[in-house]
Amino acid sequence: DTAVSQTPKYLVTQMGNDKSIKCEQNLGHDTMYWYKQDSKKFLKIMFSYNNKELIINETVPNRFSPKSPDKAHLNLHINSLELGDSAVYFCASSQVSGTTTNEKLFFGSGTQLSVL
Amino acid sequence: GNSVTQMEGPVTLSEEAFLTINCTYTATGYPSLFWYVQYPGEGLQLLLKATKADDKGSNKGFEATYRKETTSFHLEKGSVQVSDSAVYFCALSGTSYGKLTFGQGTILTVHP
Repeated sequence: DTAVSQTPKYLVTQMGNDKSIKCEQNLGHDTMYWYKQDSKKFLKIMFSYNNKELIINETVPNRFSPKSPDKAHLNLHINSLELGDSAVYFCASSQVSGTTTNEKLFFGSGTQLSVL
Repeated sequence: GNSVTQMEGPVTLSEEAFLTINCTYTATGYPSLFWYVQYPGEGLQLLLKATKADDKGSNKGFEATYRKETTSFHLEKGSVQVSDSAVYFCALSGTSYGKLTFGQGTILTVHP
C-alpha cells in the first residue's frame, strides 16, 4: 500500500478553470502538508494541517484553498488557474512532536499541473 | 528567518567518484538537519538526518555531519553509482509547527 497517495498524477487544464488535487495518507500521521515545486526544483511549503486544523499558511494566493475532511486527507482546490500555477505539487505527512519536526516527512509522488 | 543554501548544480560525476554537495544554513535555535533525495518522477524521501551539533547522519553510503561552528551539513559519498542520480535537498526544521525549510536542490547525474 502506498503511504501517501495523491491524485491525479498529471493535470492539464486551461487558464481560468478550477481544479482539485486529492491526497490521502495511511500512516496514521497527525500532520499533512502541501508543497509546490517549480521548474527549477525549488520546493516551498504552502500549507500544513494538524488534526484537521490549519497550522501553516504561507504567502499563497487565496485562490488556493486546502480542505482537510479528516486527518488522513488533505485536498487542494485551486480557483481561476493561472499560467504561473504550473508546477509539481507534493502532498506530505509526518508525525509532529511538540513544535518541531524531528520525524521524517513522507511525500506523495507529486501532481504535475500544467496550465495552458 | 531560516534559510538553507546548497551548492549550485547540476553536478555530473563518473561512477565511483567521490561526491560532496555543500549545504549551509541560517537558523535560530537548534534545528534538526536533513538530506532528502528525489529520484526521477518520484516524491522526496528522507536520506539521512542529524538532530544536534556534531551528530553524523548516514544511510546508503551517504554521510553528513552537523557542524554548528560552520553552520554546515555537507553531504558526502565515497563512491557514487549510476543509481544515485537524483535531486538532493538539504533541509532544516523550524520552530513553526512541523515546517521544514528546503534548499534549492542539487541535481546529480552519475555516468557509467
